[in-house]
Amino acid sequence: QKEVEQDPGPLSVPEGAIVSLNCTYSNSAFQYFMWYRQYSRKGPELLMYTYSSGNKEDGRFTAQVDKSSKYISLFIRDSQPSDSATYLCAMSAIRGYSTLTFGKGTMLLVSP
Amino acid sequence: DADVTQTPRNRITKTGKRIMLECSQTKGHDRMYWYRQDPGLGLRLIYYSFDVKDINKGEISDGYSVSRQAQAKFSLSLESAIPNQTALYFCATSDSGAGTGSRVYGYTFGSGTRLTVV
Repeated sequence: QKEVEQDPGPLSVPEGAIVSLNCTYSNSAFQYFMWYRQYSRKGPELLMYTYSSGNKEDGRFTAQVDKSSKYISLFIRDSQPSDSATYLCAMSAIRGYSTLTFGKGTMLLVSP
Repeated sequence: DADVTQTPRNRITKTGKRIMLECSQTKGHDRMYWYRQDPGLGLRLIYYSFDVKDINKGEISDGYSVSRQAQAKFSLSLESAIPNQTALYFCATSDSGAGTGSRVYGYTFGSGTRLTVV
């Protein structure tokens, strides 16, 4: 079993839809959770960061962590065509002393 | 100028050739990483360096070597390129996490080098 599982998609939605992107993981030591967004032919960029369990909101984006289920989610409200990108989850066990483990990424396509 | 600069952006090379990919950063970060990205396989860590005197192998280091010439420079070499090293290569940086603020620990990626080995 891979440490981090993420459905590759593509996930196609109409503009304005609520999008839910998810990752599951197996390492119970993971405490730091991130979402990166990667546009075509670009490097990933950090979108959201969460420590331990709970929710974090930033504009149209909400990151949710459920450590008991080893499950993290990214919700995008009022999705826009400009949100079309690949979204990668990433996580680590110890801040500053370990590298990030990435999911393979989910491709999101938002049609006008 | 970009915070993390990778050169070249694109490169086509022949099997057996030695090639070097370069990365420089202006973030002042002490940690640097090399990843490759392949369709269906995601990002895989090749090598990483937590400071100038520290070099560590990642999950797929065979066939690659690195050099940390300075805090701001981290280069990746393919000693004898082979076709299955055709991929998109990314350099990334982060700080040690000693600071405060959530974005301190995030990785900053370069724009990537598309390498084709024929």
